Amino acid sequence: GENVEQHPSTLSVQEGDSAVIKCTYSDSASNYFPWYKQELGKGPQLIIDIRSNVGEKKDQRIAVTLNKTAKHFSLHITETQPEDSAVYFCAASVTGNQFYFGTGTSLTVIP
Amino acid sequence: ETGVTQTPRHLVMGMTNKKSLKCEQHLGHNAMYWYKQSAKKPLELMFVYSLEERVENNSVPSRFSPECPNSSHLFLHLHTLQPEDSALYLCASSQERERAEAFFGQGTRLTVV
Repeated sequence: GENVEQHPSTLSVQEGDSAVIKCTYSDSASNYFPWYKQELGKGPQLIIDIRSNVGEKKDQRIAVTLNKTAKHFSLHITETQPEDSAVYFCAASVTGNQFYFGTGTSLTVIP
Repeated sequence: ETGVTQTPRHLVMGMTNKKSLKCEQHLGHNAMYWYKQSAKKPLELMFVYSLEERVENNSVPSRFSPECPNSSHLFLHLHTLQPEDSALYLCASSQERERAEAFFGQGTRLTVV
């Protein structure tokens, strides 16, 4: 089955700086890559996703890049704010099949 | 709010108890899921229901028993659990099983004593 690895496990940045979280996957058939944000006491919420026919997608301060050849994808958060502090999960799936999640990155934005 | 509601939010149960977790979605989705979230581990898919029929069971112990009476409700019945079953149990739904976007509930924090 698919194996998704996520790094780093913890990340601290100063407010206003950028944060980058990276994931790799093993199954070349995977074609859908969502990112979830989980705040304390809440369930994961989808913040951005990308499909394998696209190399980059941006939504305001959040962007995701995908390198199919290298089988890795990354989440980029620019101009970080304290409310960006949360645990972020990447996932990979072949559409219609099981999601495989990374182990999560705990992001702390220091005011 | 994601439109997926789980109750209770917290549950403490003994190893001989029987309890149930409830999930309700108001999104008109046809697929619902149970996930287990343990510290330092990836989310683990437990069960998948599509149009009220179980389509996937990832080798989950029989002490966990799901029920999907209709497309809006999903239950997880628990009995004779072990302390290692303590975790956050998350329910999710998606429009169809083939649609990848999943919406999660807030989870039930389960502690087995």
